[in-house]
Amino acid sequence: DSGVTQTPKHLITATGQRVTLRCSPRSGDLSVYWYQQSLDQGLQFLIQYYNGEERAKGNILERFSAQQFPDLHSELNLSSLELGDSALYFCASSVGGGRAYTDTQYFGPGTRLTVL
Amino acid sequence: GQSLEQPSEVTAVEGAIVQINCTYQTSGFYGLSWYQQHDGGAPTFLSYNALDGLEETGRFSSFLSRSDSYGYLLLQELQMKDSASYFCAVSLPSGSARQLTFGSGTQLTVLP
Repeated sequence: DSGVTQTPKHLITATGQRVTLRCSPRSGDLSVYWYQQSLDQGLQFLIQYYNGEERAKGNILERFSAQQFPDLHSELNLSSLELGDSALYFCASSVGGGRAYTDTQYFGPGTRLTVL
Repeated sequence: GQSLEQPSEVTAVEGAIVQINCTYQTSGFYGLSWYQQHDGGAPTFLSYNALDGLEETGRFSSFLSRSDSYGYLLLQELQMKDSASYFCAVSLPSGSARQLTFGSGTQLTVLP
């Protein structure tokens, strides 16, 4: 158990819908990262927040957005869902978040999203 | 862009030693990380090389050579529980932070 929690564990929805995935980082970690993992694919970095502020952005679609709240939990919002959005979505956390920080990211158990 | 190449599959027997290679075409990265992921599970951090050379953590070792654009993960005394996917990842500058870019992963199967 990494200490990172994600809810829900599974989510089934229809095309065109909007969903929200939630992540709570490890105690003491200020950074939250979101990743997408499609079937048999590697992890694709989406976005990073550090202490409430966006710090880095990867290949995140415009239909997707995220935020980090004052209590440091984060939410990933996925809208106008398409079949291709079906994937595992992982959240990770780390203590720091700047360029000077040596990476050790701790991953949550993931949310499996199925779009029908 | 950046690309990392890993073998898609590796098979070895229990007790053996296996090396999983990672070649990359990128520059200006901070370091090379390795993560393990069991089927459907969360990736877990194994090792990080900021500098060239070998890093050893128990049965696992990781190596980086920036001049050769190459790294590897070495797993010794293989156990059945080591059957998993292994991902290399480079740490790149992104915004005011760093971004991990992962390879496609290597599926390791350990046979009895």
